[in-house]
Amino acid sequence: DGGITQSPKYLFRKEGQNVTLSCEQNLNHDAMYWYRQDPGQGLRLIYYSQIVNDFQKGDIAEGYSVSREKKESFPLTVTSAQKNPTAFYLCASSIGRSGTGSYGYTFGSGTRLTIV
Amino acid sequence: AQSVTQLDSQVPVFEEAPVELRCNYSSSVSVYLFWYVQYPNQGLQLLLKYLSGSTLVKGINGFEAEFNKSQTSFHLRKPSVHISDTAEYFCAVREGNTPLVFGKGTRLSVIA
Repeated sequence: DGGITQSPKYLFRKEGQNVTLSCEQNLNHDAMYWYRQDPGQGLRLIYYSQIVNDFQKGDIAEGYSVSREKKESFPLTVTSAQKNPTAFYLCASSIGRSGTGSYGYTFGSGTRLTIV
Repeated sequence: AQSVTQLDSQVPVFEEAPVELRCNYSSSVSVYLFWYVQYPNQGLQLLLKYLSGSTLVKGINGFEAEFNKSQTSFHLRKPSVHISDTAEYFCAVREGNTPLVFGKGTRLSVIA
């Protein structure tokens, strides 16, 4: 079945360490997104990519980095510069081509990152 | 810029009672509107979406939503809720191919 896989589901890291969250999709979608979810804050956009080898900052990109070397993969690195990284991270994808905004997103099941 | 306001952060309701979750959006152009549901520690699932045409949209699990352009609202309704509807619900708006903008969510708690 096609879908999005985020791994791991739970991740613990020490303060000051960089950590990379994995996101893989086999839906043949062009666009991929990373959102951060905190209680009562909804989903806030970190980065997105509409095509391979290109990505744009979202509303809260500081302290995060991404790459998009393959269509299927969009890993997110949480760097030590991110002041409060403990959160639930959601990856999503969409068809992405012009005129396909009505299709919405398919979401992964999320990664809960805890800094100890 | 787009924005979404979900007017209630928490809505408790008794089982088999009706429920309405409110959503207002702001945008200067035509938009697509979505409602997603999230169960604990999971991703979001699409409930329904409004693209154009009929203002009443039917979704999965017996939910429906009504688009009101003059009031810039897209409220979600269900005539009779079940315990299994307990979850967090997110309203979202999108202009063309831009990223979805989400509201802060409404936590629906169904009481037996």
